[in-house]
Parts: sequence; C-alpha cells; structure tokens
Amino acid sequence: EVQLVQSGAEVKKPGESLKISCKGSGYSFPIYWIGWVRQMPGKGLEWMGIIYPGDSDTRYSPSFQGQVTISADKSISTAYLQWSSLKASDTAMYYCVRHDEAYIAAASAYYYYIDVWGKGTTVTVSS
Amino acid sequence: DIQMTQSPSSLSASVGDRVTITCRASQGISNFLAWYQQKPGRVPKLLIYAASILQSGVPSRFSGSGSGTDFTLTISSLQPEDVATYYCQKYNSARIFTFGPGTKVDIK
Repeated sequence: EVQLVQSGAEVKKPGESLKISCKGSGYSFPIYWIGWVRQMPGKGLEWMGIIYPGDSDTRYSPSFQGQVTISADKSISTAYLQWSSLKASDTAMYYCVRHDEAYIAAASAYYYYIDVWGKGTTVTVSS
Repeated sequence: DIQMTQSPSSLSASVGDRVTITCRASQGISNFLAWYQQKPGRVPKLLIYAASILQSGVPSRFSGSGSGTDFTLTISSLQPEDVATYYCQKYNSARIFTFGPGTKVDIK
C-alpha cells in the first residue's frame, strides 16, 4: 500500500526553527515528485512546493519562495519541510502529497495531479 | 501569475439535485486542471484530472468539463456523502500548482 507517513504535531514559539518530515512507503520514492500543501485553520488548500527526490530538483510557489525550504533524502525515502524562523501565521495543517502523472496519447501531453496525501502535521506557533 | 477563481463559494442543494461548480483561470491553461474533494475533517481526495478524466474509484455521478479558462465540476445527483469542499487546481509546465479558493457544498 502506498503511504506517506508524516511526523507528529508540533508546538513552537515565534522565531524558532522547525523541520517536519514525510516518509514514503509502498512505492519507488525517488521517482515521484513530493510536495507540501498548507491549510490554515478554517481555510482552503495552498500548494507550497515540490521536490523530485531522485535529483532534488525543487520548485516553489511564488507565495512560499524564501519562506520555507523543501528537501528530501532518497536513501531513507523521506521528504522535509523546514522553517528557519517561525511566525504565528505559520500555524496550520501541513500535508505531504505525492504527485503522479498520466500520459494521454490523444493529447500528446502529460497530466499531473496529487494522488496520495499524508494525514497531515499540525504546526502551532504561539508565544 | 495565473489566478484561479471558483463560484459559487458555497451552495446548498437537495439530495438528488444536479450541482455545478465553476472554476475560472485568469489566462488559458488548456485542460491542465484537476478537481479535489475534501470532506469535513478529512484529507482531500482526487476526483478528476485533465479537466474531465475521472480518477479510478470515483463515482460516475461526478464529471468535469472545460478547456482554456472555464471549467465545471458537475455532480449529477447530489448524495449526502458529497457534503464537502471542492477545489480546482491548475498547473503549468514548470510543475507549479495552484488551488482555487474552494466551493463548500451542503445539503439543504
């Protein structure tokens, strides 16, 4: 069974650093793009960025560029999301997600989508 | 930067009703669009990709259409288990994805 197992809930103070993790299992971790999605309390989904564990190619949403760092260690099938200095506005649920693709010959194009979600890591930042 | 909007932001409908949700892109995105369902307190789930292709296991009452800037998600006969927030998501060739703001669907 394909699974993304995320690290547990975190409670931190503003200004602290944090690194949360996501371990993939049941599939070949290096060859699927892994991303992170934020959901602030009572709000919608925000796509943050994505990494290809095979070569660590990383892409960020403009909204999150410079605010977080996404990394991966393919030797242990684990992706990470980290902050160097947390703010109260970082309080949210963070989902680790696997991106898959489908090639549709009729369109001669690849189509991408999120097919697997972790259960989420709650991050609370409060003084 | 291409912006995504959804309408309505919320709706209430009766069981058995046909429900249509619209997603609009500020520029053309061909059919590089997916739809997700998030039930209350649950993890989101993929419904449709490539604007109209139903993900395996998704009930056939869900369908998607559109290309360019205007897309729709249709539930042909609303069921109680369809109470959820629905999000569209676009992506580009750089693999940058963007979710729409979501549409909350309730039972009247």
